[in-house]
Amino acid sequence: ILNVEQSPQSLHVQEGDSTNFTCSFPSSNFYALHWYRWETAKSPEALFVMTLNGDEKKKGRISATLNTKEGYSYLYIKGSQPEDSATYLCAFIADSNYQLIWGAGTKLIIKP
Amino acid sequence: DAMVIQNPRYQVTQFGKPVTLSCSQTLNHNVMYWYQQKSSQAPKLLFHYYDKDFNNEADTPDNFQSRRPNTSFCFLDIRSPGLGDAAMYLCATNLGTVLGGKLFFGSGTQLSVL
Repeated sequence: ILNVEQSPQSLHVQEGDSTNFTCSFPSSNFYALHWYRWETAKSPEALFVMTLNGDEKKKGRISATLNTKEGYSYLYIKGSQPEDSATYLCAFIADSNYQLIWGAGTKLIIKP
Repeated sequence: DAMVIQNPRYQVTQFGKPVTLSCSQTLNHNVMYWYQQKSSQAPKLLFHYYDKDFNNEADTPDNFQSRRPNTSFCFLDIRSPGLGDAAMYLCATNLGTVLGGKLFFGSGTQLSVL
């Protein structure tokens, strides 16, 4: 059974501080990794689609890295703002069936 | 703007009373998904359509059915909701010709069962 773990489950961060959290996934049969941001009362929105070992992607103050050999991805947020408060979900895609295997998410709360 | 729309945002039903959730999309994507998500858990795929081809996950209860009358619309029918079916239901789409492509989500329907 393929398993995707996200840690921590929740995180409180002071406004202006930087933070990061982790997505762990199987290190074999890797095809792609997705990161999504899900703000309350809104639709989950794709942040990054990562496919290559060593990939680094950036979108404004948010960036992500990928290590497919050891099976983890980090999401970094620099200078957290209240609008960054959301649940961040990652999803692993294996090259066996191309289905998304989801983590349970990291709930980020930014304290003003 | 092209998007995925789910109605209603909140749905309350009674134990055992059938309920239908709806999803529409203007993206013209050929794949549509229904996910169930309970608090602090990973989204659970119930089923998906690739065009008209229906794919049921092995552990999706028979109580859950789906219809896709055309490219734009997809419905989730819960025939006899139980208390354990209270959850957020998310509809998503993607372009099936792009393997591993990102999903486009609706804002979900929060189902309560009384």
